[in-house]
Amino acid sequence: AQSVAQPEDQVNVAEGNPLTVKCTYSVSGNPYLFWYVQYPNRGLQFLLKYITGDNLVKGSYGFEAEFNKSQTSFHLKKPSALVSDSALYFCAVRDQAGTALIFGKGTTLSVSS
Amino acid sequence: EADIYQTPRYLVIGTGKKITLECSQTMGHDKMYWYQQDPGMELHLIHYSYGVNSTEKGDLSSESTVSRIRTEHFPLTLESARPSHTSQYLCASSEYRRVPNTEAFFGQGTRLTVV
Repeated sequence: AQSVAQPEDQVNVAEGNPLTVKCTYSVSGNPYLFWYVQYPNRGLQFLLKYITGDNLVKGSYGFEAEFNKSQTSFHLKKPSALVSDSALYFCAVRDQAGTALIFGKGTTLSVSS
Repeated sequence: EADIYQTPRYLVIGTGKKITLECSQTMGHDKMYWYQQDPGMELHLIHYSYGVNSTEKGDLSSESTVSRIRTEHFPLTLESARPSHTSQYLCASSEYRRVPNTEAFFGQGTRLTVV
């Protein structure tokens, strides 16, 4: 069965510094990977996805993610963090059967000014 | 902004009441989902549907039921609400037949409190 791990409950960075939110996955076959962001009392907003092709995927709000097949990782990155990036971030995987998105436990990103 | 709507946004209801959480999408998506999420915690899939007249149970056991009579509508019903049902319920939809592995779009959620 597929699974997603987000090893950090919280990531703290200063505004202007680069940020990384980690995600590793386990899935049979080719993975389909996603990042979502959730602000308080809101639904999830889609950020970016990896389906196939380039290992570096660019998404919304300046975020990008790097797919690493050998390390089964899909870390979310941003070169320069903003205070407004503070939110809860979820990594998700869908297996080849396309049944559903399986989510990690989420990582709270806190960007200080 | 994705066109998927959930009503109500907030609901406080007494134990034993029957409730239906509404979810509608205007994107013509085949697949729809219900997730349950405690505040700031992970999402758990409770129901999903591949299309009209299709409903499946997710990974998390739930006392709720769903129906899919129309493509755009995927309501979730609790026959008898209990305090343990207090949570946030998120509805989502995605393409399936044309593009099976694309992203899902989420509604704003319904925060349910059973007293």
